[in-house]
Amino acid sequence: DTAVSQTPKYLVTQMGNDKSIKCEQNLGHDTMYWYKQDSKKFLKIMFSYNNKELIINETVPNRFSPKSPDKAHLNLHINSLELGDSAVYFCASSQAQTPGHKQETQYFGPGTRLLVL
Amino acid sequence: DQQVKQNSPSLSVQEGRISILNCDYTNSMFDYFLWYKKYPAEGPTFLISISSIKDKNEDGRFTVFLNKSAKHLSLHIVPSQPGDSAVYFCAASESFSGAAGNKLTFGGGTRVLVKP
Repeated sequence: DTAVSQTPKYLVTQMGNDKSIKCEQNLGHDTMYWYKQDSKKFLKIMFSYNNKELIINETVPNRFSPKSPDKAHLNLHINSLELGDSAVYFCASSQAQTPGHKQETQYFGPGTRLLVL
Repeated sequence: DQQVKQNSPSLSVQEGRISILNCDYTNSMFDYFLWYKKYPAEGPTFLISISSIKDKNEDGRFTVFLNKSAKHLSLHIVPSQPGDSAVYFCAASESFSGAAGNKLTFGGGTRVLVKP
């Protein structure tokens, strides 16, 4: 019973297409994230949602639009895909962070490998 | 602008010996540090963490050391086992930054190979 799941696991598509990646967590967490791992293997945060509300947006192009229908789901829609969007996208979740307290552990999904041709 | 750096991309160690992974950071606002382990085709999994009020945290075979003045932390794995072969990521956050305290800044990772 996977804690954080993502679909699809692999996605190959043409430049200019629109695609969505879905994420679900069954941990009862309030906060969900999207990270991008680029070709140099750096993991960088893209977005964070707390209880369906956007709290972090790391200057990601507006072709990327996260949507959180409920606190257990955070989907990522990408418009007009570009070659540079090819990467592994990881979803994660955690309890909401309380200022001044230890970082709540973030639990990651298995990743979605996106290849734009 | 890499605020968290892992300068060794790879490390090879004999089974039973100690693995030492290093991580440096530049942002003095970071006050919470974590290590994640990642196997191929899987997501990162949390390993161990340390708050800036401590200089050492130990959990079984894993110990993390923090040197705040040098802005440096290290992960020691002893004894190393073949199952420890993975990529290890160092991450940091600013726990006092409210909502932004959720944000983890990752290093580039160190690939560890433990030889039997």
